[in-house]
Amino acid sequence: NAGVTQTPKFRVLKTGQSMTLLCAQDMNHEYMYWYRQDPGMGLRLIHYSVGEGTTAKGEVPDGYNVSRLKKQNFLLGLESAAPSQTSVYFCASSWLQETQYFGPGTRLLVL
Amino acid sequence: AQSVTQLDSQVPVFEEAPVELRCNYSSSVSVYLFWYVQYPNQGLQLLLKYLSGSTLVESINGFEAEFNKSQTSFHLRKPSVHISDTAEYFCAVSDGGATNKLIFGTGTLLAVQP
Repeated sequence: NAGVTQTPKFRVLKTGQSMTLLCAQDMNHEYMYWYRQDPGMGLRLIHYSVGEGTTAKGEVPDGYNVSRLKKQNFLLGLESAAPSQTSVYFCASSWLQETQYFGPGTRLLVL
Repeated sequence: AQSVTQLDSQVPVFEEAPVELRCNYSSSVSVYLFWYVQYPNQGLQLLLKYLSGSTLVESINGFEAEFNKSQTSFHLRKPSVHISDTAEYFCAVSDGGATNKLIFGTGTLLAVQP
């Protein structure tokens, strides 16, 4: 079991560019989440999904879109990157109301 | 709405000394409580959790936390820390609802010095 994996590990973007972060899990989990981590602010929920084909907004959804076309994958998109989106992004998954398991993170720098 | 407060952003401690990392929560409903640990340049790992039952929960590496409903606290303790415990520790709360969303505190950096 690889658990939760994230691609890429690190990326540098210029303001206005777009990109997609990929999260994959091999634990057959129903629920998946995207968080961002910023110094002194802990982790904040961006979007989440409670099943294939469903998505919902979290605490800080502006500037991001997500898709869950397959149960094992949860994609986070930035259509037009801004410096304020410089952060470390974590994906997590869980089996219903059980423990959330986290990926290793993606470090994004927007210049 | 739920919230989590970790009052200490950094806790320096000498090796083999005891430590307590404080966590207070606010919620109008029953909660599930978690402590996650993040080692440098890694993701978060579950350290321990309280769902129900005994208010004292323990981890495999010597940490323990006690759920105190009257004080709305879930402080993390270890009687003797090691250098390898240096990490950031996050307290989180969930209402156990249909979405299983977690609300995190801002984290406490435990810095163990020799």
